[in-house]
Amino acid sequence: NAGVTQTPKFRVLKTGQSMTLLCAQDMNHEYMYWYRQDPGMGLRLIHYSVGEGTTAKGEVPDGYNVSRLKKQNFLLGLESAAPSQTSVYFCATSRDRVDEQYFGPGTRLTVT
Amino acid sequence: AQSVTQLGSHVSVSEGALVLLRCNYSSSVPPYLFWYVQYPNQGLQLLLKYTTGATLVKGINGFEAEFKKSETSFHLTKPSAHMSDAAEYFCAVNGGYSTLTFGKGTMLLVSP
Repeated sequence: NAGVTQTPKFRVLKTGQSMTLLCAQDMNHEYMYWYRQDPGMGLRLIHYSVGEGTTAKGEVPDGYNVSRLKKQNFLLGLESAAPSQTSVYFCATSRDRVDEQYFGPGTRLTVT
Repeated sequence: AQSVTQLGSHVSVSEGALVLLRCNYSSSVPPYLFWYVQYPNQGLQLLLKYTTGATLVKGINGFEAEFKKSETSFHLTKPSAHMSDAAEYFCAVNGGYSTLTFGKGTMLLVSP
């Protein structure tokens, strides 16, 4: 089992460009999350999903959109990238809201 | 609302010394509490969690944490540090919401 995978691992964008980050899981978990990690800030929740077809805003949703068309995939989109979105992005999954979260390896995004 | 405060962004210990990483939380309902560890260039992985029952929780790699409701604390300890324990540690709380709130993290440095 691959667990939680993220594509791509690294990406460099120019300001204004768009991109989509893919999170895939083979754990059959209902809950999926997108976080960003910045030095000294810990992990901040961007968006999350409690099941196929659902999405909800987290702590820092501005500038991002998400979709959960299939249970196993959770996509994070940046429509018009800004330098402030330079960060490491982590996807995580869990069986329910109080269970352990399983994290992917992360995507390092640089916006110039 | 729920929140987590981790005291000390960096903690330095010598190999073989006691490790103590501090975490205080705020929650309006009985919380679920977690400690995660992040090694360089990796995602987070669960060390231990408290849900209900015994307040002393044992985790992987010799770590343990004690839930103290009166002090709203969930400090992480290990009797004897090993070089391989050098990593960043995150405390997290779920106080009845659909999502976790993470602390800003504590970097543990272990010197020979």
